[in-house]
Amino acid sequence: AQSVTQLDSQVPVFEEAPVELRCNYSSSVSVYLFWYVQYPNQGLQLLLKYLSGSTLVKGINGFEAEFNKSQTSFHLRKPSVHISDTAEYFCAVNPYAGGTSYGKLTFGQGTILTVHP
Amino acid sequence: DAGVTQSPTHLIKTRGQHVTLRCSPISGHKSVSWYQQVLGQGPQFIFQYYEKEERGRGNFPDRFSARQFPNYSSELNVNALLLGDSALYLCASSSLAGGFEQFFGPGTRLTVL
Repeated sequence: AQSVTQLDSQVPVFEEAPVELRCNYSSSVSVYLFWYVQYPNQGLQLLLKYLSGSTLVKGINGFEAEFNKSQTSFHLRKPSVHISDTAEYFCAVNPYAGGTSYGKLTFGQGTILTVHP
Repeated sequence: DAGVTQSPTHLIKTRGQHVTLRCSPISGHKSVSWYQQVLGQGPQFIFQYYEKEERGRGNFPDRFSARQFPNYSSELNVNALLLGDSALYLCASSSLAGGFEQFFGPGTRLTVL
């Protein structure tokens, strides 16, 4: 079984400041890792994903995340946020074995990022 | 190309009724997954279908069922609706059974009164 913990339910930040949204996970099998963003009354949009290779992954809209296997973390960062980044962000894991993913995402509770002018 | 589409957008039902939600995946995608997102929480996995076969089921009661059609579209059915079934129901499609990357639709907002 997998579980995902997003350590902050709300993160307020001023425009152009850096931000980090924290995500820890636990799993008995290997997992792929994802960050999704959800704007009000919309579905989920993929920001970035870690499947293998370099532990630092870059995504859309200037976001990046670093996979830390020993700490089972996958924190999301952006060096300078904009008002338009205000949204809810979800960390998710997808278990796999032998290179085949089971196609079942387990999500964290979400972090609401609010960017103030 | 069109993304994942879901219908209806909003739905209001009363307790005990039945509801059918529909999803059309991205063209070429053969896998469809369903998720329930209760207000203030992250999405929870309900079902995954690939090539019209159920490949995974989350921890939901038997009142929830789904199917996938030959054109890879899918329906989620919920019987005997409860107030707690009020949620945003999200459909996601992917090109592989494993769903390395799932593309989400806008969701169907179900309100049970």
